[in-house]
Amino acid sequence: ILNVEQSPQSLHVQEGDSTNFTCSFPSSNFYALHWYRWETAKSPEALFVMTLNGDEKKKGRISATLNTKEGYSYLYIKGSQPEDSATYLCAIFYGQNFVFGPGTRLSVLP
Amino acid sequence: SAVISQKPSRDICQRGTSLTIQCQVDSQVTMMFWYRQQPGQSLTLIATANQGSEATYESGFVIDKFPISRPNLTFSTLTVSNMSPEDSSIYLCSVEGPHNFNTEAFFGQGTRLTVV
Repeated sequence: ILNVEQSPQSLHVQEGDSTNFTCSFPSSNFYALHWYRWETAKSPEALFVMTLNGDEKKKGRISATLNTKEGYSYLYIKGSQPEDSATYLCAIFYGQNFVFGPGTRLSVLP
Repeated sequence: SAVISQKPSRDICQRGTSLTIQCQVDSQVTMMFWYRQQPGQSLTLIATANQGSEATYESGFVIDKFPISRPNLTFSTLTVSNMSPEDSSIYLCSVEGPHNFNTEAFFGQGTRLTVV
């Protein structure tokens, strides 16, 4: 059974702080990594799709990096805002289906 | 992109009863996926639903407990049968992007089920 881990499990930061989370995964048979933001009572929303070792992607204040050889990805949020409060999921595609991590729950305090 | 409407958004059910969750997609898709997230756990794939054939279930999930219908290319239902408190979870339906794992997946809004 493939295991995708995310840390920390939850995080509280003050508005304006920068923060980052980690997604760790077995590096063999890796095809792609997805990051999603999931707000309560809403659909998970895609942030990034990453496939290549060394990939770096950015969308506004949020960016992500990927290291497929060592099996990790970092998600960074610069200058956190209350609207960034959500659960951040990573999902790894290994050839048939996605395997999701348990998520990092971020709370940004005004 | 795809927009998925999932109903109901939440429900509280008595043990021993069944609940059917519906997902309607605004475009035709080959495969639809059903996930469950138990409290504190990861999203876990229950089954893949293809139109015109039986759903494919993942290890630990069986058709008698989670029957799935896929009558056409835009609609699917998941039934949680003979519910127990352990079935209390968020259930999500999903479709892949046009280029499978290379593009984002799309999800319904989720059904938060509480079994009492």
